[in-house]
Parts: sequence; structure tokens; C-alpha cells
Amino acid sequence: DIQMTQSPSSLSASVGDRVTITCQASQDIDIYLNWYQQKPGKAPNLLIYGGSNSEPGVPSRFSGSGSGTDFTFTINGLLPEDIATYYCQQYDDLPRTFGQGTKVEIK
Amino acid sequence: EVQVAESGGGLVKPGESLRLSCVGSGFSFSEHSMNWVRQAPGKGLEWVSSISGSGSYIYYADSVKGRFTISRDNARNSLYLQMNSLRAEDTAVYFCARDLPVAAGIFDSWGQGTLVTVSS
Repeated sequence: DIQMTQSPSSLSASVGDRVTITCQASQDIDIYLNWYQQKPGKAPNLLIYGGSNSEPGVPSRFSGSGSGTDFTFTINGLLPEDIATYYCQQYDDLPRTFGQGTKVEIK
Repeated sequence: EVQVAESGGGLVKPGESLRLSCVGSGFSFSEHSMNWVRQAPGKGLEWVSSISGSGSYIYYADSVKGRFTISRDNARNSLYLQMNSLRAEDTAVYFCARDLPVAAGIFDSWGQGTLVTVSS
């Protein structure tokens, strides 16, 4: 199975900050990497697919980059409504696997 | 509007069975692979199973293989998960998630989830 390692597991940032989350795959997954946002008590919501493609309707402050084994997710200008846990997920192979999540809080 | 909605969760004892359902609306159900993804209380996301649009291709996580069965009825726009020999570690919120039609593994629409609790 492909292991996905996210870091950090949690972070605290101020409104307006740039927030960066990394995700490392245990083997080359090309660009087959998604990012999801999950707010407490809610279902996950797809933000980024194919490493860097934004899902329609996703605010432009959310972006993704990377390929191979190393990926980055960025929030440019953190807003209070961005408080959530963010997950990466690979779809290069089965089983689909997720990172352990990064909990983003406001400082 | 695309919607998926799960039902069928509940409290069961170890070794018992439960069947989850998911109904899709607002899209051509048969054109999309569908998935079950679960989340244990306070934990991360775990993919459980996938089924292709026609039902011809089925995949399972090792943790449920041999105990869970995924199926679908395209005439009813419905997805199912038959869960047998349930264990305490199967306790989780179970989400139904739709694949994008052009690339399996991109979960673009999710239901609200249904809670399965396995406890004596």
C-alpha cells in the first residue's frame, strides 16, 4: 500500500497568514493526489485534484502543487472559515490512501 | 444539484450484520464509480470499497475483505454495503462518495455519513 505522510499534524496561524501543508507519498504517484477539507461534524469536501487543479467553486486562496512523491497545499490568506482538518489522498493505486490529516486552527 | 445520502447505520453487537444504503440524485448514477469511506471517532479517513458504474469492477480494503460486500442498483440510483461479522474496530461514520467520471479515485461528492457502532 502507498503510505501518505502529512505534516504538520496540527498548526495554529493568524488570520491573513499563509499556511502550508506538505504530503509525502511512499512511492511515486505522479500527479494523482487530492486535497480535502473537513469541518467538524461534516463530510470531507474536495478542494484540489490532480495535484494542482481546483474544484469549481473553490476559493482561489487554496492551491496545490507537486508531483512524484512530494506535494504542497497552501492557503494564501487564512480566513476564520478555513478552520478545519485537511487531508491528502492518493489515487495512483488501490487501496486509495489518505494522509493522517492536518488540523488548522486560528491563533 | 448533485446529492448522495446514506442511511442504515445503527448500534449492533460484535459478529452481527448491517446493511448500509446510499441514494444518489441530480446526476447520471450509472456513469459514476461509487465508494464507501469510513472515519472512526476522532480518527482520519479510510477508504473501504469501490464499485464501477456497471458494477463489474469491485475493490475492497484488506481490513474488510471477506466480510463486507459492495453492490449497486442503477435502476434505483442506489449503492449498498453489506457488512457481516462486524467488529468493534468497524465502528465509524460511513460516507458514500462519488467518483468523478473521468478519473476514478477523485471523490467529488460525499454524503453526510451514517454512524455504525459495534459494541456489546
